[in-house]
Amino acid sequence: AQKVTQAQTEISVVEKEDVTLDCVYETRDTTYYLFWYKQPPSGELVFLIRRNSFDEQNEISGRYSWNFQKSTSSFNFTITASQVVDSAVYFCALRDGYNKLIFGAGTRLAVHP
Amino acid sequence: NAGVTQTPKFQVLKTGQSMTLQCAQDMNHEYMSWYRQDPGMGLRLIHYSVGAGITDQGEVPNGYNVSRSTTEDFPLRLLSAAPSQTSVYFCASSYKGIGYEQYFGPGTRLTVT
Repeated sequence: AQKVTQAQTEISVVEKEDVTLDCVYETRDTTYYLFWYKQPPSGELVFLIRRNSFDEQNEISGRYSWNFQKSTSSFNFTITASQVVDSAVYFCALRDGYNKLIFGAGTRLAVHP
Repeated sequence: NAGVTQTPKFQVLKTGQSMTLQCAQDMNHEYMSWYRQDPGMGLRLIHYSVGAGITDQGEVPNGYNVSRSTTEDFPLRLLSAAPSQTSVYFCASSYKGIGYEQYFGPGTRLTVT
């Protein structure tokens, strides 16, 4: 069965600290995609990144980076030099051959000045 | 493009009442879905559709009905509202393949008293 686990319910950091959000997934499929979404306090869901199961290259976009490791079924998200505007709930999600997008419970990140 | 639109933004129902949450998209996406978001539980899939005339159940379908008569619209019906259906509801759409990210509407906050 598909499952996404985000074990960190809430993380609190001070501005400029680095922070890593963990995501562990389960699927029986060999072809699947992983996603990260951001939900700021305004409530909308914002797509951040997509990664397919055949591409284990790490990705960096500005202060954001993602580490995908199939051996540990993990797709972790790191924010370098965090800023107050990074405060949000972050969701990891999995989409496989069942064509359903399954979300983790989310990690609430609070960045304090 | 308006993207994904949802109406209403807020709704209060009494137990036992029925209502329809509207969702529309103008991106010609085949795939549409409904999620509910509850504190600490992330987004859970209620129903989804891979094209007009085709719908299927997600993780938490009980108490909800959907239909897809056009590509653009995917309404969610609450047949007899219960307090357990108090939640924020998001509609999303994407192209049909598993590698496409979903675009989310702004959400409907529903309270059942």
